Amino acid sequence: QSALTQEASVSGTVGQKVTLSCTGNNNNIGTYAVGWYQQISHGAPKTVISENSLPSGIPDRFSASKSGTTASLTISGLQPEDEADYYCSTWDYSLSAVVFGGGTKLTVL
Amino acid sequence: QLQLQESGPGLVKPSETLSLTCTVSGGSIINNNYYWGWVRQPPGKGLEWIGNIYYSGSTYYNPSLKSRVTISVDTSKKQFSLKLISVTAADTAVYYCARGFLTGCDYWGQGTLVTVSS
Repeated sequence: QSALTQEASVSGTVGQKVTLSCTGNNNNIGTYAVGWYQQISHGAPKTVISENSLPSGIPDRFSASKSGTTASLTISGLQPEDEADYYCSTWDYSLSAVVFGGGTKLTVL
Repeated sequence: QLQLQESGPGLVKPSETLSLTCTVSGGSIINNNYYWGWVRQPPGKGLEWIGNIYYSGSTYYNPSLKSRVTISVDTSKKQFSLKLISVTAADTAVYYCARGFLTGCDYWGQGTLVTVSS
């Protein structure tokens, strides 16, 4: 069981805005920045959000936010190439460990 | 552009030691801002953090793997390495090396599949 909880699956249509969530507690998300990763067809993960910023080359339709112990990844103007598994991660100071969410499968209809 | 490349055996026998190396190119491994780490993904499952190392040698390990894991760094070769002892079939996974922060990763290697089987 993952320390961070993500939806198992989310779907949206091309052009739609979708939001993926990542829920933790005050030991992790409530205290630290959250990273988000895109994994297409079991290839290597690609970082889409790191330390609250968009890495070079990531489209600005990706954005992230956090409220309390829940972090969110929003994709505005969903594209077919956004179909992938998405994972979140952060540091947990009670575990002294990096923790990942279980992943969300995003389907573009 | 920073690149990371994993290398090592793709097949390890049960009870033996899994050893992988990550070679960093396109940037310095000596950097006060970043950690170097390992993440694995068993077939059909999610990502699991293994551990991080700072260029100075300080380490953090997943508590569930801590008794079996050692991560080391060789700054002269721009490499860092993973050793996992006493492997079982449950350690079969794609192993990724990555650069990042305490909270997660920004650059990833392409990954290497390690199968534990006799």
